[in-house]
Amino acid sequence: DAKTTQPNSMESNEEEPVHLPCNHSTISGTDYIHWYRQLPSQGPEYVIHGLTSNVNNRMASLAIAEDRKSSTLILHRATLRDAAVYYCILRDNFGNEKLTFGTGTRLTIIP
Amino acid sequence: GAVVSQHPSRVICKSGTSVKIECRSLDFQATTMFWYRQFPKQSLMLMATSNEGSKATYEQGVEKDKFLINHASLTLSTLTVTSAHPEDSSFYICSARDGRLAGVRNTQYFGPGTRLTVL
Repeated sequence: DAKTTQPNSMESNEEEPVHLPCNHSTISGTDYIHWYRQLPSQGPEYVIHGLTSNVNNRMASLAIAEDRKSSTLILHRATLRDAAVYYCILRDNFGNEKLTFGTGTRLTIIP
Repeated sequence: GAVVSQHPSRVICKSGTSVKIECRSLDFQATTMFWYRQFPKQSLMLMATSNEGSKATYEQGVEKDKFLINHASLTLSTLTVTSAHPEDSSFYICSARDGRLAGVRNTQYFGPGTRLTVL
């Protein structure tokens, strides 16, 4: 599986935007970029995914670099409930359907 | 989004007993289900992948005779930890997807997890 690199931890103030980076320099043409988050003592929650174009949904936005070697998950206005571990995962939609979780970024929201 | 449930949410058992964990997709048909294990302060590790009606595929290092997986219907998969020992204590999480759907509906959705403590 193509690997991703994320910062171990980040902090953000409540009600401010948060930009969570992810590097995936070995991404292949058929890899989708998926983001999940895991709140304490819960299973992961799907956030968003994309292939080439930027994506928006009710939870977040995903900005994908033109060369696809990096992406950024954007939480537009962080709340205390957004404190979680955020995982950036590559998944090949045409072959291996497994999700391989890295260590993710632990996001702390400061009230 | 789609809902996946797990039961029980928490179980404590004595060493040597077997424990069964259920994973259900509540509002979609799960052609594929996955079982993960997560130790404290660590990431999720995939244990096995199961497709409805066929045998599970286990990841390297996971004992298939110890972790029995059954995926008999499109909405239910079970994981049985046989002869559990304290080192099997962990957070077990299932996920499910409907491989027949395209796009975002093809996404994996995760259950809330089951915390197993073996005394």
